Amino acid sequence: SAVISQKPSRDICQRGTSLTIQCQVDSQVTMMFWYRQQPGQSLTLIATANQGSEATYESGFVIDKFPISRPNLTFSTLTVSNMSPEDSSIYLCSAAGTGASGQYFGPGTRLTVT
Amino acid sequence: RKEVEQDPGPFNVPEGATVAFNCTYSNSASQSFFWYRQDCRKEPKLLMSVYSSGNEDGRFTAQLNRASQYISLLIRDSKLSDSATYLCVVVSYGQNFVFGPGTRLSVLP
Repeated sequence: SAVISQKPSRDICQRGTSLTIQCQVDSQVTMMFWYRQQPGQSLTLIATANQGSEATYESGFVIDKFPISRPNLTFSTLTVSNMSPEDSSIYLCSAAGTGASGQYFGPGTRLTVT
Repeated sequence: RKEVEQDPGPFNVPEGATVAFNCTYSNSASQSFFWYRQDCRKEPKLLMSVYSSGNEDGRFTAQLNRASQYISLLIRDSKLSDSATYLCVVVSYGQNFVFGPGTRLSVLP
């Protein structure tokens, strides 16, 4: 298993600003992912963070809005750019060694945009 | 058809009851399967992997039926603390994790 931390745990931001969320894993992992989840709703995958190359985005998510970095095998950041109230959500980072090992999630970042 | 489907519930059961959830998946090439639980306002946590031979962990039993493309989770002797949303996860192509929408369970005193 992996232990994952996220910073910040929560934030309240103004419309039009950007927020960068950090995700740190306590061991090297092959895969890292970013999800969004509205309260009471399903997880929505934003992108797979690829080490040393551009992230792979899911339909409906673009790099200009959600730039992602992954400089090494234990760390990734997600930026929510030019925020609007519709971006208010919980953002979750996860990591996996292999497809057979399952994913482990960070505690999430609760974002409110006013 | 969605890739992974679950009955959203909620399942309201009394303490001590046995409850079962099913999850169906559409990709016959899927390789790995998991159950997660998610408590309100918390992150999903891995509950158990699911194997073709079935596996048991205390009061929890998971089964995989590849022919019919479904996985199941059985909880025996339900506790109040079992109240949560249960997510099934199907993995294909080695790294494509697909989460089901979850089934809500409320165990009532």
